[in-house]
Amino acid sequence: GAGVSQSPSNKVTEKGKDVELRCDPISGHTALYWYRQRLGQGLEFLIYFQGNSAPDKSGLPSDRFSAERTGESVSTLTIQRTQQEDSAVYLCASSLGPPGTGAQPQHFGDGTRLSIL
Amino acid sequence: SQQGEEDPQALSIQEGENATMNCSYKTSINNLQWYRQNSGRGLVHLILIRSNEREKHSGRLRVTLDTSKKSSSLLITASRAADTASYFCARAGGSYIPTFGRGTSLIVHP
Repeated sequence: GAGVSQSPSNKVTEKGKDVELRCDPISGHTALYWYRQRLGQGLEFLIYFQGNSAPDKSGLPSDRFSAERTGESVSTLTIQRTQQEDSAVYLCASSLGPPGTGAQPQHFGDGTRLSIL
Repeated sequence: SQQGEEDPQALSIQEGENATMNCSYKTSINNLQWYRQNSGRGLVHLILIRSNEREKHSGRLRVTLDTSKKSSSLLITASRAADTASYFCARAGGSYIPTFGRGTSLIVHP
């Protein structure tokens, strides 16, 4: 596709369940980012991938959160034992190169809106 | 915090007026980017200004950067109802991950 694709677009689940969110970056983009955006708030950085490795995972809020990226393309963000405070929009972005190389602009997907009941 | 912080938090204007949003940051940057987010959508990159630039234009957008004051401003001239969105700044470049503030919510009344 032409842009960053995220699925599902909406996810409603019960507290305690595990959820898996998917991101398909723009083809050829080596850098991939996950952010969390709570209602009416800014973006909270979660994790950054360069290729298949994650040089910076400092934003993951707890060990219930994990992410992986395979084949330098698709990435999945997994939240285990979901809590109500996990309710938010999870945004994925990709860029052509890593942050240090001329500050490539980020291209965002439309996010997954996660609601924990 | 290394985030950019936008000001004001909310701005309401009439169509045709100019809209100015400001961004302050705490640590030195190599460049700063502005993004727009329409309701329910992802962020869209608007403009990037490098630390050695003072002003940059793109259509109806004008961005300024004052590194001595660690601040940037985004001016939208002759605003339209379609400009209604949230606007975010992000510090970027060097070894830094782009990080975002809370944004300015702009409403342009037709």
